This record gives sequence, structure tokens and C-alpha cells, in this order.
Amino acid sequence: TQTVSQSDAHVTVFEGDSVELRCNYSYGGSIYLSWYIQHHGHGLQFLLKYYSGNPVVQGVNGFEAEFSKSDSSFHLRKASVHWSDSAVYFCAVSNMGYKLTFGTGTSLLVDP
Amino acid sequence: EAAVTQSPRSKVAVTGGKVTLSCHQTNNHDYMYWYRQDTGHGLRLIHYSYVADSTEKGDIPDGYKASRPSQENFSLILELASLSQTAVYFCASSDRGGNSGNTLYFGEGSRLIVV
Repeated sequence: TQTVSQSDAHVTVFEGDSVELRCNYSYGGSIYLSWYIQHHGHGLQFLLKYYSGNPVVQGVNGFEAEFSKSDSSFHLRKASVHWSDSAVYFCAVSNMGYKLTFGTGTSLLVDP
Repeated sequence: EAAVTQSPRSKVAVTGGKVTLSCHQTNNHDYMYWYRQDTGHGLRLIHYSYVADSTEKGDIPDGYKASRPSQENFSLILELASLSQTAVYFCASSDRGGNSGNTLYFGEGSRLIVV
């Protein structure tokens, strides 16, 4: 069974701040990790993914995430946030098949 | 241009009534999914399909049926709607899974309120 945990339900930062959204997973085999963003009232949109290779992966709009096998983590980061980054962010894990399991999401609020 | 479209976008249904949520994709993807979103639960998989005329149960299939009459279309059916099925429902599509994993493309969601 694969599980994913997003410990922070809400994060608030000021525009221009850096931010890290945390994601921890549990699964024993090879996994595929990804992040999605959901703006209010819309569907989820893909941000980035990791399967193998360089543990730091780059996504759209300056987002990046780092995979750590030792910590079972895949945290999302951005160096300087913009008010338009306010959204809910979902981490997801897959065991390389069709099925993604999503975390409960982290709501990011960027104060202008 | 939206590649996954859902209808209706919003619906109020009566308890015990039948509800059909429809999804159409133009991505030429094999896989299609139905998720429901509830506050505090994230997204949970209800049903999915990897080929036309075949559907599979997800993590929370009870109270739901699914239909995949063609590659492009995937419906979620609530035969007897209940209050607990009030939620936002998302359809998604993806190409075949592989070593790089699946990337899901989501519709805008269908908000269902059962009264």
C-alpha cells in the first residue's frame, strides 16, 4: 500500500519569500512522485514529477522538488513566490502503474 | 483549449435520485479516472478505465458505477444519490503508464450537492 502525507494543511508567506511544502511517502518499491497545483474552482494541473536520476527536478513557474529516499520525502520549493502562486498543492505517489494516490493537500496563501 | 471536459459543472440532486456525470477527453488517452474531492481527504479514486467497454474499481467504489462506451467518454453514475455523496468530482485522463509514470490531465470538476 502506498501512502502520502502532507503535514501542513495551510502555509502563509509574503510575496517574494521562499517556501517549502512538505510531502512524505511510504512505499517499499519503485515509485513515481509528482506535484499538482489546484487554483480555486479549477481542476488540478501537473507541476513536476520524479522517477529516477537527479533527485532535484524542475517544474513550471520556478518550482522545484527534491527527492530523498532516506527521508522518504519529496518536498516542493520555490525561491520567490508571487501572489498568483496562491493555490492548493497536492503531492501524489504511484507505484509505476496507472493509479496515483494523492495527499490531502497544502493550501498556500501568498500575501501581497 | 480544454482537453478534458466535464458536464454538468454543477448539479443539485435529490436523495435517492439518479445522477450521471459525464466526461469527454480529446487527448487520445487510454486511461480515464473519476476522483472525488472532499475537504480534508484530498482526492480519492472511485473508478478508472484503461480501455473502452471496461471499467475497474478504485479505492471508494461503493455507491458508484462507471461506464466507458468509447475511448473519449467516461461517465460516473450514482443510481441512488445519498447525502454523503455531496462532493466535487474530477475526471482525468492519462496515457499508458510506463517507467516514467503517469501524468494526469484533469477536468474542471463537477460540484454535486445532494439534498
